[in-house]
Amino acid sequence: GEDVEQSLFLSVREGDSSVINCTYTDSSSTYLYWYKQEPGAGLQLLTYIFSNMDMKQDQRLTVLLNKKDKHLSLRIADTQTGDSAIYFCAEGNYNTDKLIFGTGTRLQVFP
Amino acid sequence: DAGITQSPRHKVTETGTPVTLRCHQTENHRYMYWYRQDPGHGLRLIHYSYGVKDTDKGEVSDGYSVSRSKTEDFLLTLESATSSQTSVYFCAISDQGQGGNQPQHFGDGTRLSIL
Repeated sequence: GEDVEQSLFLSVREGDSSVINCTYTDSSSTYLYWYKQEPGAGLQLLTYIFSNMDMKQDQRLTVLLNKKDKHLSLRIADTQTGDSAIYFCAEGNYNTDKLIFGTGTRLQVFP
Repeated sequence: DAGITQSPRHKVTETGTPVTLRCHQTENHRYMYWYRQDPGHGLRLIHYSYGVKDTDKGEVSDGYSVSRSKTEDFLLTLESATSSQTSVYFCAISDQGQGGNQPQHFGDGTRLSIL
């Protein structure tokens, strides 16, 4: 079945860029999403990209999609301590009505 | 968060007792979802609803039932709670089915401990 994989941890220094990676298996995905989860809270949608696009930029966030390799990345520029959280990648297929989440990447930002 | 309220936020109960979690939305969205979040598994879909009285099973539906008698409320029931159902439960809503350009928005979660 479909699967979404992410590395578990990422540690970066404040002010550096962070890159969180995700691989997925459904070649028919329609949209791919990035969510952020802060401690004790629900998932907050950060951004999403249509599967026919290869890049989307939104302020400090850049999403890159390599559909051939089924690889999605989220780059956070000028990472701040407030960016410390768990980041979930999810692949969606509107035609099969499925949404599959990765296990999340815990981003730790140190001064 | 997007007009979604989950109650209770925390609950501790004993094995074998019934438990009902409530999700209330003020957005008038058609779709509502229940997920559980466990370490190493990300979020897994339990049940979802695509309208009043219309529900379907997700990936991990065994031991759970749901009901949706009004657009704004989606209830998740554990008929006889087991320790394996200790988890954090999230409700989500959206205006279209999964995988489209109307992404799901999540509540703040219910932390359920079954002793």
